[in-house]
Amino acid sequence: AQKITQTQPGMFVQEKEAVTLDCTYDTSDPSYGLFWYKQPSSGEMIFLIYQGSYDQQNATEGRYSLNFQKARKSANLVISASQLGDSAMYFCAMARGGSNYKLTFGKGTLLTVNP
Amino acid sequence: GAVVSQHPSRVICKSGTSVKIECRSLDFQATTMFWYRQFPKQSLMLMATSNEGSKATYEQGVEKDKFLINHASLTLSTLTVTSAHPEDSSFYICSARDLQGLNQPQHFGDGTRLSIL
Repeated sequence: AQKITQTQPGMFVQEKEAVTLDCTYDTSDPSYGLFWYKQPSSGEMIFLIYQGSYDQQNATEGRYSLNFQKARKSANLVISASQLGDSAMYFCAMARGGSNYKLTFGKGTLLTVNP
Repeated sequence: GAVVSQHPSRVICKSGTSVKIECRSLDFQATTMFWYRQFPKQSLMLMATSNEGSKATYEQGVEKDKFLINHASLTLSTLTVTSAHPEDSSFYICSARDLQGLNQPQHFGDGTRLSIL
């Protein structure tokens, strides 16, 4: 069975600093995908970044990057130059089931950016 | 980009009422949509996969007679919470993909906060 673990219920970071949100996963499938979503207090889910199991390089999208360590089964999200608007819940999710996949979400990490 | 619209955003109603939630893909066609439920301060739990033109596939433990799903067109899926009770109060959110493939993200609606009195 697939499993996603986010061990940090809450994280604090100073504005303009970088922060790493942890995510580990467990799967026996050779092909899988890992997603990070941001959920502000208003509730919508915002797609941030994707990493495929066969991707050779770590994914980057603007201030977001993914530290993918396949052997350790970890896919940590790095947010650089934190902004006050980054305060939100962050969910790591694994795609299972091939091209018509389903998502399994971790429990999330609440990030608070302090001014 | 792909936009998913969900309506209504908030519902407050009496126990025993049936509530219908709509999920629309605005600028793409979606043969598959997904319905999730989220309790306060918890993660998203997949309830069911909505398939256009066929029956929905429910996750283990989800009552299909309680949560009716209809996916009548390529742009609309509906979730009906039948005879809702206070324990059905939750945040319900749908998602869809515009393209097939493991690297294509699911796009989410803004969610519906359901409160049963």
